[in-house]
Amino acid sequence: GAGVSQSPSNKVTEKGKDVELRCDPISGHTALYWYRQRLGQGLEFLIYFQGNSAPDKSGLPSDRFSAERTGESVSTLTIQRTQQEDSAVYLCASSLEPEGAVDGYTFGSGTRLTVV
Amino acid sequence: AQTVTQSQPEMSVQEAETVTLSCTYDTSESDYYLFWYKQPPSRQMILVIRQEAYKQQNATENRFSVNFQKAAKSFSLKISDSQLGDAAMYFCAYLGYWGAQKLVFGQGTRLTINP
Repeated sequence: GAGVSQSPSNKVTEKGKDVELRCDPISGHTALYWYRQRLGQGLEFLIYFQGNSAPDKSGLPSDRFSAERTGESVSTLTIQRTQQEDSAVYLCASSLEPEGAVDGYTFGSGTRLTVV
Repeated sequence: AQTVTQSQPEMSVQEAETVTLSCTYDTSESDYYLFWYKQPPSRQMILVIRQEAYKQQNATENRFSVNFQKAAKSFSLKISDSQLGDAAMYFCAYLGYWGAQKLVFGQGTRLTINP
């Protein structure tokens, strides 16, 4: 596609429920990143996928968070047993390749998750 | 680990005037890249300008320019002739040349443009 697409745009869920957030990167971009942005704060790195290599999961805050990516296509970020502290905007980005990151990432518009 | 600090949570400027946003970072690497991103209310992050650490010349993109001081680990963004459309959150970000290719972001500065 022309840009990075994220769905849903907004999600309200009850505490304790599981949620899945979806990211469609730009076609041909091998690197994909997830970030979390709490209200009024900067972006926190969550996880990074590069091709078929093992993902860098060093930013995942707890074992309730997981992400998958099939090949170089769609990625899903899953949050199990959601807590109110999980309320944030979840941003996805992609780049042509890790070295392409020097040209900057292309970001989606994010999913705003609200846990009530 | 690298860290990026933006000490100005909010800034405001009159339309058509110049404003400078500050950013400092901490790293032990000698080769890296620095970025300024803009985030309007649409939430989508937009790349404003990029600086390679090995280049002494400051990057410029139209009304946007940087003051890169490598020894001081400082990377400020200057916006000249501010326009209403410049109002947004601005984030400074760091990318190491080697190793993990993931951006490290500062906390952001909210820029308001007064008409």
